[in-house]
Amino acid sequence: AQTVTQSQPEMSVQEAETVTLSCTYDTSESDYYLFWYKQPPSRQMILVIRQEAYKQQNATENRFSVNFQKAAKSFSLKISDSQLGDAAMYFCAYRLYNFNKFYFGSGTKLNVKP
Amino acid sequence: DTAVSQTPKYLVTQMGNDKSIKCEQNLGHDTMYWYKQDSKKFLKIMFSYNNKELIINETVPNRFSPKSPDKAHLNLHINSLELGDSAVYFCASSPSLGELFFGEGSRLTVL
Repeated sequence: AQTVTQSQPEMSVQEAETVTLSCTYDTSESDYYLFWYKQPPSRQMILVIRQEAYKQQNATENRFSVNFQKAAKSFSLKISDSQLGDAAMYFCAYRLYNFNKFYFGSGTKLNVKP
Repeated sequence: DTAVSQTPKYLVTQMGNDKSIKCEQNLGHDTMYWYKQDSKKFLKIMFSYNNKELIINETVPNRFSPKSPDKAHLNLHINSLELGDSAVYFCASSPSLGELFFGEGSRLTVL
């Protein structure tokens, strides 16, 4: 069964510093997608970044980057130069390449201190 | 233009009542979903439709009935509401490959 684990329920970071959120997943498949979603207090779910498993290069979107370790089934999110607006719940998610079912982790609440 | 829109955004109702949440997407996606987010923020899949056909039906009480009149719409009807149904319900859609696109969520409060 596919599962997604986020072991950090809550984290804090100082504004302008860097923070890394952890995510591990369990699958026997080789073709899949991984995602990070952000949910600010407004409750809207926003896609932060996505990674296709067949790509060896780690995805990057501005201040957000991932460390994708396929063998270790690890997919961490690094936020550089943290801003107050980054404060939110962050969810790691997985889906098989050819099946429309998404599995979510339990989320990590990120606090950003001014 | 809102890609995935759901209405209403907020519902407050008494136990035992029936309520519906409507969802529409203008992205041309074939697959639509309903997710429930509880007070601990855990996201749980409830249903998924692909081109109006039910493809995922997780363990959900049969008081919950989804309806997809066409591939752009997926509505959720809830009968005999219970306190435990209080949650945020998200509608979402996805293309055959790629990510989920979420609506803004509908917060249901059952008193």
